[in-house]
Amino acid sequence: GDSVTQMEGPVTLSEEAFLTINCTYTATGYPSLFWYVQYPGEGLQLLLKATKADDKGSNKGFEATYRKETTSFHLEKGSVQVSDSAVYFCALSPLSGGYNKLIFGAGTRLAVHP
Amino acid sequence: GAVVSQHPSWVICKSGTSVKIECRSLDFQATTMFWYRQFPKQSLMLMATSNEGSKATYEQGVEKDKFLINHASLTLSTLTVTSAHPEDSSFYICSANNAGDYLSGANVLTFGAGSRLTVL
Repeated sequence: GDSVTQMEGPVTLSEEAFLTINCTYTATGYPSLFWYVQYPGEGLQLLLKATKADDKGSNKGFEATYRKETTSFHLEKGSVQVSDSAVYFCALSPLSGGYNKLIFGAGTRLAVHP
Repeated sequence: GAVVSQHPSWVICKSGTSVKIECRSLDFQATTMFWYRQFPKQSLMLMATSNEGSKATYEQGVEKDKFLINHASLTLSTLTVTSAHPEDSSFYICSANNAGDYLSGANVLTFGAGSRLTVL
């Protein structure tokens, strides 16, 4: 079945460091891909999305490119801040399940220290 | 922006009792809500899709008699864990589709902060 695999955390970085969180997926057809972020004590929030191959989603300095050839959607940010500390979830919306049926990865905790 | 509130945020109960978790959309109407379960260091697992005024659709392997879902209004869905056992201890998360949010698209869901259940 459809699935999402993302790198295990925690990821610990110094402020202004470069961030990459890897995400790969398995799905039939052409799923939509998402990154969600969960700050402490809050619900998951959509960070960015891409709906077709080669699309790049971007928001708040984060970006991810939908790579069909490698079935990947890696999250990157050039310079992280302490306020970026959160748990990041990669997710896909399978073609057959309807747009709202999301399949999530396990989440990657990011800790940024000054 | 759209807000989804879950209550309680954490609950501890004795084995054999039932626990109800509420999911409310505070400033929008949600025709569809989703319930997820998350074990430590694992993915959010979709348990069921809850549609206002009709029976929930459960994912394969989820016991509908164990996890009762009611979506009686456009702003409230409840998950009741019946006769809870320690293996039901988990983090339960709901999300809601803002039916009126045409700009964001049907893919965008608003999530609650989650409810942690511990069964002793």
